[in-house]
Amino acid sequence: NAGVTQTPKFRILKIGQSMTLQCTQDMNHNYMYWYRQDPGMGLKLIYYSVGAGITDKGEVPNGYNVSRSTTEDFPLRLELAAPSQTSVYFCASRDLARGGDTQYFGPGTRLTVL
Amino acid sequence: KNEVEQSPQNLTAQEGEFITINCSYSVGISALHWLQQHPGGGIVSLFMLSSGKKKHGRLIATINIQEKHSSLHITASHPRDSAVYICAANYGGSQGNLIFGKGTKLSVKP
Repeated sequence: NAGVTQTPKFRILKIGQSMTLQCTQDMNHNYMYWYRQDPGMGLKLIYYSVGAGITDKGEVPNGYNVSRSTTEDFPLRLELAAPSQTSVYFCASRDLARGGDTQYFGPGTRLTVL
Repeated sequence: KNEVEQSPQNLTAQEGEFITINCSYSVGISALHWLQQHPGGGIVSLFMLSSGKKKHGRLIATINIQEKHSSLHITASHPRDSAVYICAANYGGSQGNLIFGKGTKLSVKP
């Protein structure tokens, strides 16, 4: 299993540009999450999905959109990039097998908006 | 407001020392998670607790529901334990949405 993969690893955007951060998991997990991590701050939930076709807002959804057309993929879209969106973005999937509750994180995407 | 507070923010230890990292939270959590963020940035889940104590190797996590407090202990610390340790609370709901602490940066010197 590759686990949770994210692309790209790094990206620099200009203000007003748009981009999609890709996230794929091969563990057949229904739950998936997008977080952002700013320096000195805890991770914040942007959007989450409880299964294909179902998404919902987290704590900091403004400026982002998501879709979940398949169990495997959960892309995050930035439409009009702003400097406030400079952050490290993590995607995660959640494993509830055998009574557990574990989130598996991707390696992250470091995004800079100039 | 549901919050998660961790202490200390930074911790330096000598190899072999016993380490304790603390986490406090508001009422109403259904589970408490401990995660490790490596110096390279990768995040790994260590424990999920709803009561009592769990142990994995040299790591021990405890939770006291009445005092709204959890601790992560590392016995016989080693330089490879150097990382940021993050506490996160699930304030209920099957969605598993977590509120994260800011993390404790641990540095273990040889």
